[in-house]
Amino acid sequence: DVVMTQSPLSLPVTLGQPASISCRSSQSLEHSDGNTYLNWFQQRPGQSPRRLIYKVSNRDSGVPDRFSGSGSGTDFTLKISRVEAEDVGVYYCMQGTHWPPITFGQGTRLEIK
Amino acid sequence: EVQLLESGGGLVQPGGSLRLSCAASGFTFRTYVMNWVRQAPGKGLEWVSGISVSGASTYYADSVKGRFTISRDNSKNTLYLQMNSLRAEDTAVYYCETGGGTSYYSYYGLDVWGQGTTVTVSS
Repeated sequence: DVVMTQSPLSLPVTLGQPASISCRSSQSLEHSDGNTYLNWFQQRPGQSPRRLIYKVSNRDSGVPDRFSGSGSGTDFTLKISRVEAEDVGVYYCMQGTHWPPITFGQGTRLEIK
Repeated sequence: EVQLLESGGGLVQPGGSLRLSCAASGFTFRTYVMNWVRQAPGKGLEWVSGISVSGASTYYADSVKGRFTISRDNSKNTLYLQMNSLRAEDTAVYYCETGGGTSYYSYYGLDVWGQGTTVTVSS
């Protein structure tokens, strides 16, 4: 199974400042169809996970444009250009290329300083 | 409104059984692979099981293989998870999820999660 490794695991950020989360996979996530099925999820306190980004860099409907995703192969990044209070929660990367199974990173807890 | 609604969780003794259900609405359920994902208290997300659009193919994490059975009824827009021989380590919130982030959907796959149902295995 593909192992997903996130860093940092804890991310204190000042309101209005940028934030960045790294995700590395144990093998390339480029599929034979040419796509890379790397997703990012946000889980706010007490809520279900919600997908923010699919196929590395595509924002889901309703996701603010301060969220962006990038990367290729085995290295991926989620960036928040200016953190807002509603961004507090845990962020997970997830690979869907080598499924089943889908596999998640350990999660990165974003908090406001 | 696109929605998944889980039910069937509860408190069960070790060795017991539960059957979870996930009712889908607002999207074409029969065109989506489906997954069960769980989250133990204070922990991260763990994939448990998945099923193909027709139900003919099923997949399991090693930790539940031989104990859990996933199934679906496309005529009822419902996903199921039969859980037998439950252990304390199965205690978690169980979410159903459309497999929209998988390679099955090369262009775009809707990703929806239910609100979760809590399973507690304890004597």
